[in-house]
Amino acid sequence: SQTIHQWPATLVQPVGSPLSLECTVEGTSNPNLYWYRQAAGRGLQLLFYSVGIGQISSEVPQNLSASRPQDRQFILSSKKLLLSDSGFYLCAWAGTNYNEQFFGPGTRLTVL
Amino acid sequence: QKEVEQNSGPLSVPEGAIASLNCTYSDRGSQSFFWYRQYSGKSPELIMSIYSNGDKEDGRFTAQLNKASQYVSLLIRDSQPSDSATYLCAGRVEGSTLGRLYFGRGTQLTVWP
Repeated sequence: SQTIHQWPATLVQPVGSPLSLECTVEGTSNPNLYWYRQAAGRGLQLLFYSVGIGQISSEVPQNLSASRPQDRQFILSSKKLLLSDSGFYLCAWAGTNYNEQFFGPGTRLTVL
Repeated sequence: QKEVEQNSGPLSVPEGAIASLNCTYSDRGSQSFFWYRQYSGKSPELIMSIYSNGDKEDGRFTAQLNKASQYVSLLIRDSQPSDSATYLCAGRVEGSTLGRLYFGRGTQLTVWP
């Protein structure tokens, strides 16, 4: 069966510091991968998606970036965090039929 | 613009009752719909998918899709306190880029004993 992991689970960072969040998927090959952010009291916002190694599409311009160095690894980064980057970051995967997306456990980021 | 709207709630029902969660969507090209359950502090969990008009039942859950009315619902029979969570409705447009989903803001459900 497929499993998706995210780490760290929680993170507290000062404004202006860098960020690296990691997501890995097990039990499937060539998944479609997604990064979402869920801010307090708001809906899920799609940030990035990827269909394969090195292939990243951005939904919203911001100070975040994503990379996919391996088939089942997806990384979310920032060079300098803003207060507005606080939120619950969720990685999701879907099979090549795109139908159903499954979320990882998430990383709760607080920027102070 | 593709949008998914959910009744804002919160919705509160007694244990054993039927909870009805509703969702409307703006894009007639939307073909597939998904219901996710999200417990407080946790990530969303997929509980139902529906792709065609009509009802789809899975245990205590029934998803209903009416494409003519652009309406999706989730019924939870014999509601339990463990069903207390926020329920997210999501739609996907056929042929959309990489299976992009459009999420509603969620409806918070409380089932009281």
